[in-house]
Amino acid sequence: QQQVKQSPQSLIVQKGGISIINCAYENTAFDYFPWYQQFPGKGPALLIAIRPDVSEKKEGRFTISFNKSAKQFSLHIMDSQPGDSATYFCAASTDGSSNTGKLIFGQGTTLQVKP
Amino acid sequence: SAVISQKPSRDICQRGTSLTIQCQVDSQVTMMFWYRQQPGQSLTLIATANQGSEATYESGFVIDKFPISRPNLTFSTLTVSNMSPEDSSIYLCSVARGTGDQYFGPGTRLTVT
Repeated sequence: QQQVKQSPQSLIVQKGGISIINCAYENTAFDYFPWYQQFPGKGPALLIAIRPDVSEKKEGRFTISFNKSAKQFSLHIMDSQPGDSATYFCAASTDGSSNTGKLIFGQGTTLQVKP
Repeated sequence: SAVISQKPSRDICQRGTSLTIQCQVDSQVTMMFWYRQQPGQSLTLIATANQGSEATYESGFVIDKFPISRPNLTFSTLTVSNMSPEDSSIYLCSVARGTGDQYFGPGTRLTVT
């Protein structure tokens, strides 16, 4: 019940295309859903996060869509660029409104954007 | 956000030895976390470190193997004890802000031979 399932494992997109990564969870107590971007040899960087009171959040080319009833959330990268090539992790936690929540991570998606 | 540094950035250690990893944050934080990322894998929480109290370990991780110190609100250490090749991983510290956002350090890449 603590798992977060992420798909696809890898993704190849042409430059300018839309990259879509999906995550699903079971624990309805999760109330905070961040996405991280990780480049080789670097730590994960927080991209964007959402809470269940909204269905969508957009920051620049990155959008999270959240479906509470389906217990799914997804990351959309619009106008994908070669510089977006990285590994993306979704995560979930409880107590997201405080600073006490531990993160449960998805398995990761390796994105390659072809020029 | 937060500026987080880790030392060392990488190390190669022999089986049976121990390594202490340091994590320094640029501002005071209540909660610090230690994660492990095995090669090509996702991140797994090792423990949560509160200043002034014992660390809370996740299932599968024990204090004797991964002792943690948290002497103040900007610093923590994780020791990987009696290392074996299976401990070869990236070890990451993170800090949480009041918004719930967590920020990660650059990681320590450990290879055990």
